[in-house]
Amino acid sequence: DAGVTQSPTHLIKTRGQQVTLRCSPISGHKSVSWYQQVLGQGPQFIFQYYEKEERGRGNFPDRFSARQFPNYSSELNVNALLLGDSALYLCASSFTSATYNEQFFGPGTRLTVL
Amino acid sequence: DAKTTQPTSMDCAEGRAANLPCNHSTISGNEYVYWYRQIHSQGPQYIIHGLKNNETNEMASLIITEDRKSSTLILPHATLRDTAVYYCIVGANKLVFGAGTILRVKS
Repeated sequence: DAGVTQSPTHLIKTRGQQVTLRCSPISGHKSVSWYQQVLGQGPQFIFQYYEKEERGRGNFPDRFSARQFPNYSSELNVNALLLGDSALYLCASSFTSATYNEQFFGPGTRLTVL
Repeated sequence: DAKTTQPTSMDCAEGRAANLPCNHSTISGNEYVYWYRQIHSQGPQYIIHGLKNNETNEMASLIITEDRKSSTLILPHATLRDTAVYYCIVGANKLVFGAGTILRVKS
């Protein structure tokens, strides 16, 4: 079975631009979570979606938004990019929204903001 | 979500057991203890989780103290491929990652 896939692998943007990152969960998984990992730190929770509804939101500004589609894939959008948004963006899928369900992480999208 | 404290780094000889400690003194009754690891340039990987009882799977064992204020992850026979950052996470609704422990397995 394919694991969690994310696209693109790498992305370079300039300040003020907008970016869309994509995630396809493992087949049968209905929950997708997004994390931001700045170099040298652990991943920080951004959003969780389950059955197309937002189930959790971390401490991130409104420039960050996400959605989940009927096929359970998800997009993370970041508007008005700042230099500090440079990070590895990780997507994780799980069968349900319960935290005790094992989360399977994708390889991430490396975003560089210049 | 409760906060966790882990050593910054640890070394372990290949083939020996690696014991990674974690303190979570403010854990509440409904919060699980989770362990994930992240090998360089990859996404985190689930290892094990538990609530009260000790747990074991094919990767590791999780020992939780009776008062649940601390726990230990045990990799019974560490290999070079176990070199990674290990995250101890306590929570009920979401995963809150700290800085983790860098485990270096050396031959």
